[in-house]
Amino acid sequence: QSVLTQPPSASGTPGQRVTISCSGSNSNIGSNTVNWYQQLPGTAPKLLMYSDTQRPSGVPDRFSGSKSGTSASLAISGLQSEDEADYYCAVRDDSLNAWVFGGGTKLTVL
Amino acid sequence: EVQLVESGGGLVQPGGSLRLSCAASGFTFSTYDINWVRQAPGKGLEWISYISSSGATRYYADSVKGRFTVSRDNPKNSLYLQMNSLRVEDTAVYYCATQVGSRVCVTTSCQTYYYSYYLNVWGKGTTVTVSS
Repeated sequence: QSVLTQPPSASGTPGQRVTISCSGSNSNIGSNTVNWYQQLPGTAPKLLMYSDTQRPSGVPDRFSGSKSGTSASLAISGLQSEDEADYYCAVRDDSLNAWVFGGGTKLTVL
Repeated sequence: EVQLVESGGGLVQPGGSLRLSCAASGFTFSTYDINWVRQAPGKGLEWISYISSSGATRYYADSVKGRFTVSRDNPKNSLYLQMNSLRVEDTAVYYCATQVGSRVCVTTSCQTYYYSYYLNVWGKGTTVTVSS
């Protein structure tokens, strides 16, 4: 059971907009910024979004992040086949002195 | 190129020990806090350990506390994870990842600010299999 709650799966067709949610609590999402990681099959996780809404250099602007209270969301617009991957939200939990992750969402591009 | 390379994984029997290494290059290793994160086969990401840039502060997940020890050798640009009393459930790919903390100003004068943390650079991982 993960500290952060994500839907196990999401899907969309090419060109569509997909949203992945991440729900937490006051001690994690409510207190710190949320990050998102993309993990392509067989590879290491890659930072996709940090500080709730910031994209690292090289990440397309089709990816966007948002946060409200104890929930966060990752939106992918103009869905492409190469977006098919697992997506994880993560937050530093000050009360636990630990990083907590969501269980991951497997995104399928139909 | 900023890089982290894990090594030391392998097959070990339950109750055995293993020492993982994480070699850093392309950045000033001694200024970065580092974390270990693992991923069991077909499962999600699980944070297991943190060590501050100086090595003075260390944290562990409950699942490994008392069995795993994180350490670092800054002159050698290396991080280690000593894993003892290994269990079948420790089977996973183990990643090391740098932690970045940046100050975010709320006001233009920056009199009010907060810190934003994220795991920036990840290695490709090393596989640990605990099985008899």
